[in-house]
Amino acid sequence: GESVGLHLPTLSVQEGDNSIINCAYSNSASDYFIWYKQESGKGPQFIIDIRSNMDKRQGQRVTVLLNKTVKHLSLQIAATQPGDSAVYFCAENRDAGNMLTFGGGTRLMVKP
Amino acid sequence: DADVTQTPRNRITKTGKRIMLECSQTKGHDRMYWYRQDPGLGLRLIYYSFDVKDINKGEISDGYSVSRQAQAKFSLSLESAIPNQTALYFCATSDRSSGREKLFFGSGTQLSVL
Repeated sequence: GESVGLHLPTLSVQEGDNSIINCAYSNSASDYFIWYKQESGKGPQFIIDIRSNMDKRQGQRVTVLLNKTVKHLSLQIAATQPGDSAVYFCAENRDAGNMLTFGGGTRLMVKP
Repeated sequence: DADVTQTPRNRITKTGKRIMLECSQTKGHDRMYWYRQDPGLGLRLIYYSFDVKDINKGEISDGYSVSRQAQAKFSLSLESAIPNQTALYFCATSDRSSGREKLFFGSGTQLSVL
């Protein structure tokens, strides 16, 4: 079936470096995407979203890139900090009212 | 998110027992959800409700039931718990006015079925 998935289950980066977390989706009808951050012992927290009529959106230290041609989504974190250590999930949605479909998650580890 | 409160935070129970997980929210959202998270897997939807008296099955509803007692409360029940229901359970809410399913999650309930 169509699903959302992630290329890398674990990503280790040096503090201060930029991080890139990738996500592939297979549902070409998906038109809304969200990145969530889940810290240990907590529920997922919304980071940033993007609609399919955009290919880039920036937040505070984070950028989401959407490539609809290859059905690829990425989350870029600038100047990664220890507090960025968490599991990151992408989620996709098609049509208002449909449920989000979540990927399996990527663990980001920040080395001091 | 402190606006979505789940109780209990942890629960250990035995096979065959009935258990209820509670969720309450102060965000004023009309939509509420129950998800299950297993190690290494993404979040899977159990049930969701768009308003009081509205109940919809999600991807993995078998073995679960829910009750939407009020707009702010959504409880999840396991009628007869089994070990493979051991998981981390999340309640979430969203606001219809956003037009999209931008979910806000509680801190989770870790359930262990022995």
